[in-house]
Amino acid sequence: SQQGEEDPQALSIQEGENATMNCSYKTSINNLQWYRQNSGRGLVHLILIRSNEREKHSGRLRVTLDTSKKSSSLLITASRAADTASYFCATDANNAGNMLTFGGGTRLMVKP
Amino acid sequence: KAGVTQTPRYLIKTRGQQVTLSCSPISGHRSVSWYQQTPGQGLQFLFEYFSETQRNKGNFPGRFSGRQFSNSRSEMNVSTLELGDSALYLCASRMQGGNTGELFFGEGSRLTVL
Repeated sequence: SQQGEEDPQALSIQEGENATMNCSYKTSINNLQWYRQNSGRGLVHLILIRSNEREKHSGRLRVTLDTSKKSSSLLITASRAADTASYFCATDANNAGNMLTFGGGTRLMVKP
Repeated sequence: KAGVTQTPRYLIKTRGQQVTLSCSPISGHRSVSWYQQTPGQGLQFLFEYFSETQRNKGNFPGRFSGRQFSNSRSEMNVSTLELGDSALYLCASRMQGGNTGELFFGEGSRLTVL
């Protein structure tokens, strides 16, 4: 079963615009991670935010975490056509052993 | 440092057959996890191995099995294949078996069951 639900399922924007993706989850977590997947390829880790952190930045990426609402958002600023991919949140839950539970993903298309 | 390597990348099987997929983790990584990705169910956890021991298992039938060797390489096996087993099977490694830290994924093995 999927721990996270992502919103929106698909997003289409113009190059240079910002893209915001949201993730909600159900149980308490140790950390939340965001991954990117180009079509049919493996996943690439983008950023990890721990449960005691509220915001984290990495280059053009900004992630927020609200544990009271069990939600996270990923913001990609000044998007590029190369950012076109699917983005997944993954939670490392307190009682889930060593597994990550992935959301359904957001398909982002950035038009040049 | 070489990444996670999965073989084969593509394969086609028929119902009832069995398949073995292989994963070589990043050198020094002792934890290997397997995930199944389908359009309908998304990414689902299959199992994780650390130092040749299965540490966690997802909600899959017993037809799905795996193992890890002393060099950390891992294999997963699916017996009596069903059409619904068609999927992208992803292997991921990380250095240790703790419950934090990023996963490094391979490119996957795309299985088609006819």
